[in-house]
Amino acid sequence: NAGVTQTPKFQVLKTGQSMTLQCAQDMNHNSMYWYRQDPGMGLRLIYYSASEGTTDKGEVPNGYNVSRLNKREFSLRLESAAPSQTSVYFCASYRAGTGELFFGEGSRLTVL
Amino acid sequence: QKEVEQDPGPLSVPEGAIVSLNCTYSNSAFQYFMWYRQYSRKGPELLMYTYSSGNKEDGRFTAQVDKSSKYISLFIRDSQPSDSATYLCAMRGSYIPTFGRGTSLIVHP
Repeated sequence: NAGVTQTPKFQVLKTGQSMTLQCAQDMNHNSMYWYRQDPGMGLRLIYYSASEGTTDKGEVPNGYNVSRLNKREFSLRLESAAPSQTSVYFCASYRAGTGELFFGEGSRLTVL
Repeated sequence: QKEVEQDPGPLSVPEGAIVSLNCTYSNSAFQYFMWYRQYSRKGPELLMYTYSSGNKEDGRFTAQVDKSSKYISLFIRDSQPSDSATYLCAMRGSYIPTFGRGTSLIVHP
């Protein structure tokens, strides 16, 4: 079982460049999330999608955009990367009922 | 003040010790309480899940929730080096969980 798959696993960008982080889940979950994790800050919610066709801002949405392409895929885009966006990004999908989040392995992004 | 407070550690213990990890929270609407374990360079994985107050046991792990004190705990008995990881508490009222900062646990042989 693949679960939640994120690509790329590593990326180095220059300030001002753009990129898209891809996420796909094969568990038929309705809700998906994007978090960033920084040392000492824990997991902070960037955006989430409660169902296909809907997206909402989380705690730290500035500088990001998302697209819920279909039920399986939820992408995160940085339009103009800044050094403050250097972080580890996690995508997760949500199993209704138990409320369990299933996480991908993370995408490590460095912005120079 | 953050909604969920968790001491980041690190917490270093010898193999076989009983470990106590804790979180406090301020939002009375939280009803679902979870502990996630995160190994280095991996995504978090659900370890324990409890609803409302009380205890839940699973092998060497026990989760406790005291809603009156807004305090949750995770106990690990007979800790092993393989338990070395970051433990994140999480809680929710609706379907959006709020995470603590995580506590780094090191179990040395």
